[in-house]
Amino acid sequence: QSVLTQPPSVSAAPGQKVTISCSGSSSNIGNNYVSWYQQLPGTAPKLLIYENNKRPSGIPDRFSGSKSGTSATLGITGLQTGDEADYYCGTWDSSLSAGGGVFGGGTKLTVL
Amino acid sequence: QVTLRESGPALVKPTQTLTLTCTFSGFSLSTSGMCVSWIRQPPGKALEWLALIDWDDDKYYSTSLKTRLTISKDTSKNQVVLTMTNMDPVDTATYYCARAVGGLPDDAFDIWGQGTMVTVSS
Repeated sequence: QSVLTQPPSVSAAPGQKVTISCSGSSSNIGNNYVSWYQQLPGTAPKLLIYENNKRPSGIPDRFSGSKSGTSATLGITGLQTGDEADYYCGTWDSSLSAGGGVFGGGTKLTVL
Repeated sequence: QVTLRESGPALVKPTQTLTLTCTFSGFSLSTSGMCVSWIRQPPGKALEWLALIDWDDDKYYSTSLKTRLTISKDTSKNQVVLTMTNMDPVDTATYYCARAVGGLPDDAFDIWGQGTMVTVSS
């Protein structure tokens, strides 16, 4: 059971927009930056979004991030078949019971 | 160019100790703000953060695994080593090392290694 909650799967047609949610608590998302990672099949995760809404160099502006309270959202516009992947949110948890880095359970994006 | 590469045994027996090495280039772990973490992923499952070591030799561990984990660094060799004791089949996973920059616990992992698959079986 992951500390951060993500929907197991989302789907949309090419060219459409999709959002992926990541729900946490005050000990993690509520007081720390959120990052998002894309994991294509058989490859290592790749950073998409850091500090809630910033994109590393080379990441297209089709990818966006936002945070409100204890939840974060990844948005992808202009969906392409190459976007089919697993997406993970991550942050730090300051609680005694779960202190340390934490990730969501991952969301599988299918581009229909 | 920043790169990280994990190395270690592909197969370990239950109860044995696993030792993994992350060899990196393109940055120094003695530079302020630099951190390296270990993260694992069982087959078909989600990412799980394990441990972090920073430029100042501060160490952080997963609460659920801290009694079994030790992370250390050798700055001169550009390496970070993770040991995990008392291995069990449930520890079968791909183990990744990843860099974080900034010096804060919630910094993102900007560069990842390719991962190394470890199977625990007798």
